[in-house]
Amino acid sequence: GQQLNQSPQSMFIQEGEDVSMNCTSSSIFNTWLWYKQDPGEGPVLLIALYKAGELTSNGRLTAQFGITRKDSFLNISASIPSDVGIYFCAGQEETSGSRLTFGEGTQLTVNP
Amino acid sequence: EAGVAQSPRYKIIEKRQSVAFWCNPISGHATLYWYQQILGQGPKLLIQFQNNGVVDDSQLPKDRFSAERLKGVDSTLKIQPAKLEDSAVYLCASSFISGVYYNEQFFGPGTRLTVL
Repeated sequence: GQQLNQSPQSMFIQEGEDVSMNCTSSSIFNTWLWYKQDPGEGPVLLIALYKAGELTSNGRLTAQFGITRKDSFLNISASIPSDVGIYFCAGQEETSGSRLTFGEGTQLTVNP
Repeated sequence: EAGVAQSPRYKIIEKRQSVAFWCNPISGHATLYWYQQILGQGPKLLIQFQNNGVVDDSQLPKDRFSAERLKGVDSTLKIQPAKLEDSAVYLCASSFISGVYYNEQFFGPGTRLTVL
């Protein structure tokens, strides 16, 4: 099945720094989503994007749906310790109906 | 509002044994999903139900995995017999409905399965 290439795999940053991660695919997606997963918990939706070029913010988080519909990025500004966790991109591929495909995740560590 | 409930939270079995997981979705959610999340990877959809009918089971290893949602509410996922590579977290999610446009999926805490 379709794989989403998510990078970087891991990031180690200092509190207060900005963070950027991205996701690319070889096929077109109708929806791009960004989730965060804490240890022992299921993923929680952070931002949902529904059309090409869309730029959406949720507090310190900003995400964009790429114009080609094959990529998306997530930025976190002024990171804080509670931002620690694994961030996943996910999307609904144009040819796969409502099925979600997830990326491999970005492990974020924030040093106080 | 109560979230998605799953049990057990942890299970350790030996290979070739059987195991079953239970999920209770958010009340009123018609669509229920089972995902497999292997350590270091993102979740992978195993099966999707709309009420008590299967919408997508194309990625379910049907020789050993089965799932049911008899009354359109709770669901069980079974593995029989288990293999070492089945060690993973099994996540259940639910949404109000599913379709071409995304309806937010709410995930449960998962069941961590270890096969020895």
